[in-house]
Amino acid sequence: EDQVTQSPEALRLQEGESSSLNCSYTVSGLRGLFWYRQDPGKGPEFLFTLYSAGEEKEKERLKATLTKKESFLHITAPKPEDSATYLCAVQALFSGGYNKLIFGAGTRLAVHP
Amino acid sequence: NAGVTQTPKFQVLKTGQSMTLQCAQDMNHNSMYWYRQDPGMGLRLIYYSASEGTTDKGEVPNGYNVSRLNKREFSLRLESAAPSQTSVYFCASSAVAEQYFGPGTRLTVT
Repeated sequence: EDQVTQSPEALRLQEGESSSLNCSYTVSGLRGLFWYRQDPGKGPEFLFTLYSAGEEKEKERLKATLTKKESFLHITAPKPEDSATYLCAVQALFSGGYNKLIFGAGTRLAVHP
Repeated sequence: NAGVTQTPKFQVLKTGQSMTLQCAQDMNHNSMYWYRQDPGMGLRLIYYSASEGTTDKGEVPNGYNVSRLNKREFSLRLESAAPSQTSVYFCASSAVAEQYFGPGTRLTVT
């Protein structure tokens, strides 16, 4: 069964304390892995797409990496404004030929000054 | 560009009432989606529309119907609301791979 698991569920960091969020997946026929940021009361905001093992993408203090079984979202020297829930999703081929997204439950990140 | 817009932002219904959630996108995307988000669970797909004129069931379609009115608009209807449908509903659209989400509708069914 296609599945996405994110860990930890919640993470508390001090400003400047670097860390990583994990997204492990089991899916037949991975077509892409996506990272989103979601602020309270808002819709998910697209961050990155990764397509193949070894690929890396960067945006400001965030770097996403991909292996054959998992992805990491590395946060370097985080600031309080990085506080949000980070969602991981994998794209797989659905039976009807549609590429569906399967979402993990997310990691709630809180960065304190 | 407004991106993906949803109305209403909040709604309270009584069990058995009906309502329609509206979604519109101005990015000229072919595909549109409806998800629900519940605490501790990932976003779950209710229905999707791969292109104008087509709709298909997702993971949790029971109790919902959809209409792809035109390329821009995709509505979600609850015919007889139940407390289990209390959730936050998100509409999304995509051109190829990345999906772009609206701000959500918070629905409470009492």
